[in-house]
Amino acid sequence: DIVMTQSPDSLAVSLGERATINCKSSQNVFYSSNNKNYLAWYQQKPGQPPKLFIYWASTRESGVPDRFSGSGSGTDFTLTISSLQAEDVAVYYCQQYYISPPTFGQGTKLEIK
Amino acid sequence: QVQLVQSGAEVKKPGASVKVSCKASGYTFTSYYILWVRQAPGQGLEWVGLINPSGGSTSYAQKFQGRVTMTRDTSTSTVYMELGSLRSEDTAVYYCAREGTRGFYYFDYWGQGTLVTVSS
Repeated sequence: DIVMTQSPDSLAVSLGERATINCKSSQNVFYSSNNKNYLAWYQQKPGQPPKLFIYWASTRESGVPDRFSGSGSGTDFTLTISSLQAEDVAVYYCQQYYISPPTFGQGTKLEIK
Repeated sequence: QVQLVQSGAEVKKPGASVKVSCKASGYTFTSYYILWVRQAPGQGLEWVGLINPSGGSTSYAQKFQGRVTMTRDTSTSTVYMELGSLRSEDTAVYYCAREGTRGFYYFDYWGQGTLVTVSS
């Protein structure tokens, strides 16, 4: 199975500041035939299911604020929140869907400093 | 709008089985795979398996092989996940989720989750 490792495990950022979460896969998740990275990001708030935020490494799901962006390729990926808002406090997970089984990172808890 | 509505919380004894349902609406039921993911208390996300609602074919994570069965009822647009030989480590919230694009296993819609508690 592909192992997904996120860093850091937790992160405290001031309101309005940039937040960066990293995700590393144990194998390449880029498929050259369609030029796509098979990587998604989810946001999960307490008591709620995860919510899809980013897929294909950089495509925002409909309704996701444009302060959220995804980048990276191959084995190294980043979720960036350009200006942290109070409602962004949550746990964020990356997930690969290049090879079955789909696997998730351990999660990064984002808090307000 | 797309909705996945799951059955309510369950409490089971070790060795028992549990069957969780997931009723889909707002889209063509047979056009998208449904996947199951679980989350133990305070822990991360773990894929359990998937079902193709069109033909009923399934694929299960290796660690659940022999203990899990996924089925569907196309007349009610409902999928079911049954997990047997329950142990305390199976205590978790079980989510059903829809694949985001046919054939690609990211998840665009999720059920609200079903808490399964295994306790003697």
